[in-house]
Parts: sequence; C-alpha cells; structure tokens
Amino acid sequence: NAGVTQTPKFQVLKTGQSMTLQCAQDMNHEYMSWYRQDPGMGLRLIHYSVGAGITDQGEVPNGYNVSRSTTEDFPLRLLSAAPSQTSVYFCASSYSPSGNYGYTFGSGTRLTVV
Amino acid sequence: ELKVEQNPLFLSMQEGKNYTIYCNYSTTSDRLYWYRQDPGKSLESLFVLLSNGAVKQEGRLMASLDTKARLSTLHITAAVHDLSATYFCAVDIGGGYQKVTFGIGTKLQVIP
Repeated sequence: NAGVTQTPKFQVLKTGQSMTLQCAQDMNHEYMSWYRQDPGMGLRLIHYSVGAGITDQGEVPNGYNVSRSTTEDFPLRLLSAAPSQTSVYFCASSYSPSGNYGYTFGSGTRLTVV
Repeated sequence: ELKVEQNPLFLSMQEGKNYTIYCNYSTTSDRLYWYRQDPGKSLESLFVLLSNGAVKQEGRLMASLDTKARLSTLHITAAVHDLSATYFCAVDIGGGYQKVTFGIGTKLQVIP
C-alpha cells in the first residue's frame, strides 16, 4: 500500500493563480480531509469528506474548493492564490468518520504564494 | 470554541531522563489523539484515547486521558535521541473528525 499520496511536494504560485493539490489514498478509507499547518498555529481543518460525493467545510475553508468523486481521490483547489495561503498542506484519511482511529497523513505540499 | 493547550511548547532534555507533556482542553471530550512529526516530515499517529482513564503505551511513550480534568499526558521514560520530534495532541469534541482541534505542538529535543 502506498498510503496517502500528495502531489506536488513543493509549489510556488503567483498571486491570483489557481492550482489543484492532489491527494490519493489506496486504503479504502471513508474519511479524508485537508489541513494547513502554519508556524505556531498547529493544524487547521480546511475541508473534509465522509465519503464519495460528500464534502463539507472545516475551520478555514475560504479560498479553497474540494470535490470527492471517488473514494480514493480528494483534490484541493485554490481558486485565486493569495500570500496568506502560503503554508504546508496535509491531506489525511481515516478508516472511519467516527474518530475511533488515528489519521494517516500524506507527506505534505509546501506552497509559497508570491 | 474548543481550545487545546499544550505545555511545554519546547522541551530540551537529556537522554535517560523522564518527562511529561501536558495537553489541556476546554470542552468536554472523550476522544484524544497524539501525533508525532519529525522536522520537514508528515505526522504519524501515536495513540488514540477513546475513554476516560484510557492509558496506552508504546515503547518509551505512555499516554493517558482524564476526561474529568480535561487533561491528557504523554509521558516519556528514559528518553533517547530518536524521540526528538514535535508532538501534537488533538481533541475531538464529538461528531467525528470534522470537530478535531489540534494543539500547536511540543517540540522535544533529546540531547545525547
């Protein structure tokens, strides 16, 4: 099993550009989520999904869109990049939405918006 | 709003010593998670604590949960250099993962 695969690992964007961060998991996990990690702020939930076709907003959803057309994939779209979106982004998945299991995290995408 | 506070935020300790990291949270919860992150790397799940009084141990790390005190501890026994990392606790106030709030982490440095 590859686990949770994120691409790209690094990205530099100009303000106003759009892009998609890819996330795929091969563990048949129902629950997937996107977090951003900023220094001194821990991890903050952007969007999550409890199954194919079902998504919802987390704590900091503005400026981001998601979709979940398959169980395996959960891409995160930045609509119009802003410097405030410079961060490290982690995709995570879990077997159950109920919280009885820990997350499996991807390796992260380090995004810089200039 | 759920607040999750870890202390200390930075801990430098010598090999062989014992220490405890504390995680306090502000709202009733019966689910708490501990994760480890190595510099520049992803997060790894260490423990999932699902009820009051839960205690889990893995190697030199032991985690416990006291839901009445809204407190979890991560105890390190006879620290070794390989335990150097940042440790996060995360609390679920119910409703599944969408309600999980992370602390800002405790950076542990074990000095040989």
